[in-house]
Amino acid sequence: QKEVEQNSGPLSVPEGAIASLNCTYSDRVSQSFFWYRQYSGKSPELIMSIYSNGDKEDGRFTAQLNKASQYVSLLIRDSQPSDSATYLCAADSNYQLIWGAGTKLIIKP
Amino acid sequence: DAGVIQSPRHEVTEMGQEVTLRCKPISGHNSLFWYRQTMMRGLELLIYFNNNVPIDDSGMPEDRFSAKMPNASFSTLKIQPSEPRDSAVYFCASRGQGVETQYFGPGTRLLVL
Repeated sequence: QKEVEQNSGPLSVPEGAIASLNCTYSDRVSQSFFWYRQYSGKSPELIMSIYSNGDKEDGRFTAQLNKASQYVSLLIRDSQPSDSATYLCAADSNYQLIWGAGTKLIIKP
Repeated sequence: DAGVIQSPRHEVTEMGQEVTLRCKPISGHNSLFWYRQTMMRGLELLIYFNNNVPIDDSGMPEDRFSAKMPNASFSTLKIQPSEPRDSAVYFCASRGQGVETQYFGPGTRLLVL
């Protein structure tokens, strides 16, 4: 069964520090990977997508992909209390997305 | 541009009643997904439509659940009869042709008493 695995957390990070979120996937055919942020009581919203090995930066966010290790990560620099949310990792598989269970991130002021 | 629209936003019903959830995808998107989210099971794909045709309904829990997409701008998810274990947040998401990114609606929070 195709899976995406994430540590459920909570991951607690001091304000201003770097938050590092990790994800592994099982389907070697997957080519597209996504990080969604979900605030409590809200719907998931896309924050980053990555398709090639290496790093992709967007503002304070950096996504990293290593297809050989089947590993995806999300770094959040200068973490803010507003970054406190659950972060969902997803990988494409057969025209659908396979979702991780999400990591709850708490930024402590 | 309007995003994915879902209605109702909240639904409280009694066990045994029929529940109908509605979704309007983003204009021009040709794929639509219904998900259910609970604390215990996370985000689960129920059914996936492409060009109004159901492609994968393997996630539909049982015959009490049915989904339709009569046209490109409207879909329904029906539960009949509803049970307390159906209580969850139901999300609809849509996707444009040739892309993998899915855009979610605000969700319907369902409580079955």
